[in-house]
Order: sequence, then structure tokens, then C-alpha cells
Amino acid sequence: GNSVTQMEGPVTLSEEAFLTINCTYTATGYPSLFWYVQYPGEGLQLLLKATKADDKGSNKGFEATYRKETTSFHLEKGSVQVSDSAVYFCALIDYSNYQLIWGAGTKLIIKP
Amino acid sequence: DSGVTQTPKHLITATGQRVTLRCSPRSGDLSVYWYQQSLDQGLQFLIHYYNGEERAKGNILERFSAQQFPDLHSELNLSSLELGDSALYFCASSVTGTRGNEQFFGPGTRLTVL
Repeated sequence: GNSVTQMEGPVTLSEEAFLTINCTYTATGYPSLFWYVQYPGEGLQLLLKATKADDKGSNKGFEATYRKETTSFHLEKGSVQVSDSAVYFCALIDYSNYQLIWGAGTKLIIKP
Repeated sequence: DSGVTQTPKHLITATGQRVTLRCSPRSGDLSVYWYQQSLDQGLQFLIHYYNGEERAKGNILERFSAQQFPDLHSELNLSSLELGDSALYFCASSVTGTRGNEQFFGPGTRLTVL
């Protein structure tokens, strides 16, 4: 079946550090891939998406590339800020029923 | 602001009770999805409605039911509540279930069962 695995947190970094949060997936067919972010006490916001192999999604300085050969969709940012502290979820969409399949989430803590 | 609204924001109730959670999708969106977020199970898909019809069911308990009305708003009914039903319940909407069509999430309803 479809599944998403992402690196466990919390991930603690200093401001301006480089960020990578790993995400790998297992899926039949060619799913679209997403990163969502959940700020403390808030709902889920779409951060970026990619719909086919080699697509790069980007938003707010974050990037992720859909790598079919490694079934990965790692999230990266060159210089993190304290305001990036949140929980990040990797997800794929199961086109048999359009449900999102979620990773466990990675809590990111940025220290000034 | 995603354009998806959910009410109430918080709900505190007792075991054995029944509650109704309400969701209004973004204007023009025909699909509504319900998800449950709990500490032990993470985010789980519950159910998907498209233009008033049930399209798919996920890990939804028999004690739970949902519907989507002609004006496209949706309600999730939870009955015979147990302590383990305490969670954050999210509603999401999308235009259709087509490829790449992202789901936009509401702020959630936090349910606490005492």
C-alpha cells in the first residue's frame, strides 16, 4: 500500500542554518507529493507540491524535488529563521480515493 | 486564511455523548475531506464527499458518520464518544479530485472527551 516515511524529530537548528527534512514514499502509480506545515496552535497549510517526477516545488525559500528513482521528496531551506519553527508533514495523494497519506510529521525548532 | 471554515473551534464533552462538527468548504470547491489528528495515530483520513455523495471511506469508526448538504457544507457526527476520540478534527476542501489538486484545510475542531 501507499505510505510516507519522514525523519523523526525534533530537529533543532540555529538561525541561518541549512535545513533538510527527509521524506521517502512508497506508492503504486505516480502520486502527487506535498509538504504541509502546522504552526503552533494552527491548522495545516500547504507549503509546496510536485505533481510529477523531477518537478521542484518551492515556496517561502523552501524547496523539494520529486525524485522517482529514489522515491524521495526531501524538504530543504538554505537559511532558516525562528519563524520557521513548526511541524512539517510530508504527504502523498492516493488517486484511488483522493485521500492524503501522511508522514508522522517532523517538529522543527529554530533557536536564535 | 484558507477559506475553509470549521465550527466549533473547541468542544469539550463527556463519554457517551454525541457531537456534530461543521465544515464550510472554500467557495466553488465540491470535495470535502475529513481527517483526524491524534497524538498516537497521527493524521488519518476519515471520509471524502464530492458534491453531496460519499466517495471514499478511510479509518472511520462505525460510531462516526458524515454527510455533505446541497449547499456543500459538511457535518461530521461522532456518537457514543470515548476518551480515545479526543483529537483535532480537520476538514479540507478541493475543487475536484483531479491530479495535483491540493486540499485546503480549515483551522480544525479540537475535541476533548472527559
